[in-house]
Amino acid sequence: QSALTQPPSASGSPGQSVSISCTGTSSDVGGYTYVSWYQQHPGKVPKLLIYEVHKRPSGVPDRFSGSKSGNTASLTVSRLQAEDEADYYCSSYAGTSTPVVFGGGTKLTVL
Amino acid sequence: EVQLVDSGGGLVEPGGSLRLSCAASGFTFNNFAIAWVRQVPGKGLEWVSGISGSGGKTYYADSVKGRFTVTRDNSKNTLFLQMNRLTAEDTAVYYCAKVGFSGWYGGFDYWGQGTLVTV
Repeated sequence: QSALTQPPSASGSPGQSVSISCTGTSSDVGGYTYVSWYQQHPGKVPKLLIYEVHKRPSGVPDRFSGSKSGNTASLTVSRLQAEDEADYYCSSYAGTSTPVVFGGGTKLTVL
Repeated sequence: EVQLVDSGGGLVEPGGSLRLSCAASGFTFNNFAIAWVRQVPGKGLEWVSGISGSGGKTYYADSVKGRFTVTRDNSKNTLFLQMNRLTAEDTAVYYCAKVGFSGWYGGFDYWGQGTLVTV
């Protein structure tokens, strides 16, 4: 049940693109196409941005996109805006014993 | 409108017990699994426990196995987390979170507002 590995921080200027990685193992990220991403602003509840690697819930801008290769998933935020400054967490399905594992989180700073 | 309202948090001594509740509305409660996710203030998210829509299957993180028990009352649209033998490491904001239509595969589409547990 080890947490997925995310970089602690990422940054970019308005209008640029930034990607955040999420590395797991063949028992979670690499074994399934079931990676989710969440955005959490300070003092707020996490918000689902991406599910099943690349699908967006209704209302999530298409500036947010997800992908996966092997044991690493990625969230890309395009055309960065000031409001994108937040913490981002990945999670993955991890099997029938412990269905969900989260990453440690990445703080995204918009310069 | 889907709503999840967490309650039951508070200050408890080490070794003590607490029971959290999550009152749900706006969806067919027994059709969806629900999880408890906790967050130490200023730190990351940690999946703690989960329960299937029927209540027949329960899941626990190793860190709480044997001490926490998740149950649900589908007649009252309410989820519970009984926490026993609490330690300082259990201090966190506890959220209940509902899975989407893909179940455990598709992430948590709605979250409660969280309830703070301080040990």
